Amino acid sequence: DTEVTQTPKHLVMGMTNKKSLKCEQHMGHRAMYWYKQKAKKPPELMFVYSYEKLSINESVPSRFSPECPNSSLLNLHLHALQPEDSALYLCASSQVVGPGTDTQYFGPGTRLTVL
Amino acid sequence: GQNIDQPTEMTATEGAIVQINCTYQTSGFNGLFWYQQHAGEAPTFLSYNVLDGLEEKGRFSSFLSRSKGYSYLLLKELQMKDSASYLCAVRRTGGFKTIFGAGTRLFVKA
Repeated sequence: DTEVTQTPKHLVMGMTNKKSLKCEQHMGHRAMYWYKQKAKKPPELMFVYSYEKLSINESVPSRFSPECPNSSLLNLHLHALQPEDSALYLCASSQVVGPGTDTQYFGPGTRLTVL
Repeated sequence: GQNIDQPTEMTATEGAIVQINCTYQTSGFNGLFWYQQHAGEAPTFLSYNVLDGLEEKGRFSSFLSRSKGYSYLLLKELQMKDSASYLCAVRRTGGFKTIFGAGTRLFVKA
């Protein structure tokens, strides 16, 4: 099973709403990632969790709040977003140790629109 | 700093061979990935190179020269479904950071 699942597939929210994106994997991977991707642009790393601990925060605004409740789940809590935050949000996971073992497997993404 | 360069777009004919180049500059190189991404979908892993040379996997091959900061992805016997963006991504040492290039949009025509 090399599947990473994400819910919801699409999300439309207002600037005052609070919502959450969810990601799940059952490959035993201990690193999980959130990326943001705008149209025709490469994925931009937002956060990395390793062994359920936040390892990298790429200076992401605090209106994005990640959470890793266990080794299989990764959430991204959204609050007071701006229209420019509209994008495809991708979750990925990888193994942790060893060269080449950190190939990232991506979920299908959540397409977020902020009105 | 780091920089990854790929051509923006390429067009090739069904059944042909196409080579997509990637040059990179980074401190602490620890591997190069190629991903395929169809419009509106997630990237899918194609190949990984950490040592110099050619890695072949079916119709797809990837080459790396670390001294030149250069890689290419070779696609043989092109099919219409190969029309997609191809992302070159470089992993740095000392962490989980993988930097993606802007991608090359490949159009395969009949």
